[in-house]
Amino acid sequence: SAVISQKPSRDICQRGTSLTIQCQVDSQVTMMFWYRQQPGQSLTLIATANQGSEATYESGFVIDKFPISRPNLTFSTLTVSNMSPEDSSIYLCSARTGKTEAFFGQGTRLTVV
Amino acid sequence: GQNIDQPTEMTATEGAIVQINCTYQTSGFNGLFWYQQHAGEAPTFLSYNVLDGLEEKGRFSSFLSRSKGYSYLLLKELQMKDSASYLCAVIPGGGSYIPTFGRGTSLIVHP
Repeated sequence: SAVISQKPSRDICQRGTSLTIQCQVDSQVTMMFWYRQQPGQSLTLIATANQGSEATYESGFVIDKFPISRPNLTFSTLTVSNMSPEDSSIYLCSARTGKTEAFFGQGTRLTVV
Repeated sequence: GQNIDQPTEMTATEGAIVQINCTYQTSGFNGLFWYQQHAGEAPTFLSYNVLDGLEEKGRFSSFLSRSKGYSYLLLKELQMKDSASYLCAVIPGGGSYIPTFGRGTSLIVHP
């Protein structure tokens, strides 16, 4: 298994600003992902964080709004840029070590005011 | 596209058994996860099925029928702490192995 530390756990931000969320895994993992979970909804994949190269974004998500870094096999960041109240959500980092299990960080609860 | 269906909400009594169903229609299939998510917390892994049949793990069991596009999570001897959302996630075909999540089933356990 893998232990994922995600921070901050929550934040309240002003619209128009940006927030960077960090995700640290305690072991090398093959894949890292970023999800968004809006109230009462399931998890929506934002992008796959690729080590040493640009992230792979899902439909509806773009790099300018959600820049992602993954400088090594254990660390990734997601930035939510130029925030608006619609970005208020829980953001979750996930990692997989193989084909069978995927683990999640504790999530970042973002409120944009 | 991918489609995963689960009931929105279920209620059950402490000590009882509950079955949460999940049906899916995906482009290919490479496995199915069940996760538990308590309010305000991250999902925690419960089970993974890739072959047909029943996988038992303590009070929780998960069943898969690939031909029917169907899975269920069975919770026995329900406890109050089992009140949570249960997420079904399917890994479609292809090489990405990225799970697609259903909307989740909110389980409420009553005394």
